[in-house]
Amino acid sequence: GENVEQHPSTLSVQEGDSAVIKCTYSDSASNYFPWYKQELGKRPQLIIDIRSNVGEKKDQRIAVTLNKTAKHFSLHITETQPEDSAVYFCAASRWDSNYQLIWGAGTKLIIKP
Amino acid sequence: EAQVTQNPRYLITVTGKKLTVTCSQNMNHEYMSWYRQDPGLGLRQIYYSMNVEVTDKGDVPEGYKVSRKEKRNFPLILESPSPNQTSLYFCASSSRLYEQYFGPGTRLTVT
Repeated sequence: GENVEQHPSTLSVQEGDSAVIKCTYSDSASNYFPWYKQELGKRPQLIIDIRSNVGEKKDQRIAVTLNKTAKHFSLHITETQPEDSAVYFCAASRWDSNYQLIWGAGTKLIIKP
Repeated sequence: EAQVTQNPRYLITVTGKKLTVTCSQNMNHEYMSWYRQDPGLGLRQIYYSMNVEVTDKGDVPEGYKVSRKEKRNFPLILESPSPNQTSLYFCASSSRLYEQYFGPGTRLTVT
């Protein structure tokens, strides 16, 4: 079945530096790729998503890139700030999957002051 | 305000005592789902529902039941809870291939 691998499991970066989290998916028919952020003690919330007809999408300091050939997509956070510290989850879905998201295992991002 | 609500938020119970965690959404979403989250294991799906009276198993359905009698509600039932069901539970809802909205979570402890 569909599988999504997420790396790294933990990422520690200096405040102000960039962070990159990568996910690889197995189902070539996947066409929707969201990223969720979960702050400590809170619920996951969507921060950005991309569909397979687009290669890159940006929203202020965050961006997602998609490489359909290699079947991977990445989250890029620039100029990291303390409030970026959280667990980030990637997911993948396909148009005929009955709404199902296949989730990555999560990346704990630590921003060092 | 668009939201997903869960009750209770915290629950401590004993082994074998039936319990229900309620989930309700006000966004007229077709899709609803239950996840459990344990340290180091990410989000694991328990059950999901694509519409009223349509439910299906997720990755870890053992020990749980669900029902979807109304579009807005999707309760999670633990008929005989065991300590290995101690976890943080999230309900979520969405429309097709759009954002999944999560509830605030229910922290369950089974002793």
